Amino acid sequence: DVKVTQSSRYLVKRTGEKVFLECVQDMDHENMFWYRQDPGLGLRLIYFSYDVKMKEKGDIPEGYSVSREKKERFSLILESASTNQTSMYLCASTAQWSNEQFFGPGTRLTVL
Amino acid sequence: KQEVTQIPAALSVPEGENLVLNCSFTDSAIYNLQWFRQDPGKGLTSLLLIQSSQREQTSGRLNASLDKSSGRSTLYIAASQPGDSATYLCAVPLYGNKLVFGAGTILRVKS
Repeated sequence: DVKVTQSSRYLVKRTGEKVFLECVQDMDHENMFWYRQDPGLGLRLIYFSYDVKMKEKGDIPEGYSVSREKKERFSLILESASTNQTSMYLCASTAQWSNEQFFGPGTRLTVL
Repeated sequence: KQEVTQIPAALSVPEGENLVLNCSFTDSAIYNLQWFRQDPGKGLTSLLLIQSSQREQTSGRLNASLDKSSGRSTLYIAASQPGDSATYLCAVPLYGNKLVFGAGTILRVKS
């Protein structure tokens, strides 16, 4: 079974802090994605990556950056957290030849 | 621009009832469609991936159909159980393995 794990289920940070959200997949998938999910707005794509060191902006990249140094790991970085970044963050991965996405359990981030 | 709509937004049914969730998409040039389940506060679980060449895909009590020409998919749940209570989302691919998601249907099965 595909397994996508995220470093934390719940996280509370202060405004202005630098925040790292980690995602790891164990199926050698080429593609990885970061979404945020908010009530009434659904899932919105922040960034995605097709390969190591490759990244592309999604629909709402402002205030975020990403890092993919190894194939299995995709990190989302909030350089200076703000209260409007309080959200559920979801990571997903998929093989190059497929677009069946597999999701991690999510990280509920609260920025105070 | 691809848009995905799910109807109804919420549904409450008694246990044992068969039910249908609907998903429609505006651009019929898709090569597959994926249904997910999401429990409160959790990530998404892939239920079914139906290819454009297929008309139906089944997994246990779940059956998904796809009609590309009309831009619609349905998820049929047979003999619903309280454990089926969750939000169900459908998604279709955009370029580059990206997905466009519907807003979801919140299902509550009452015991």
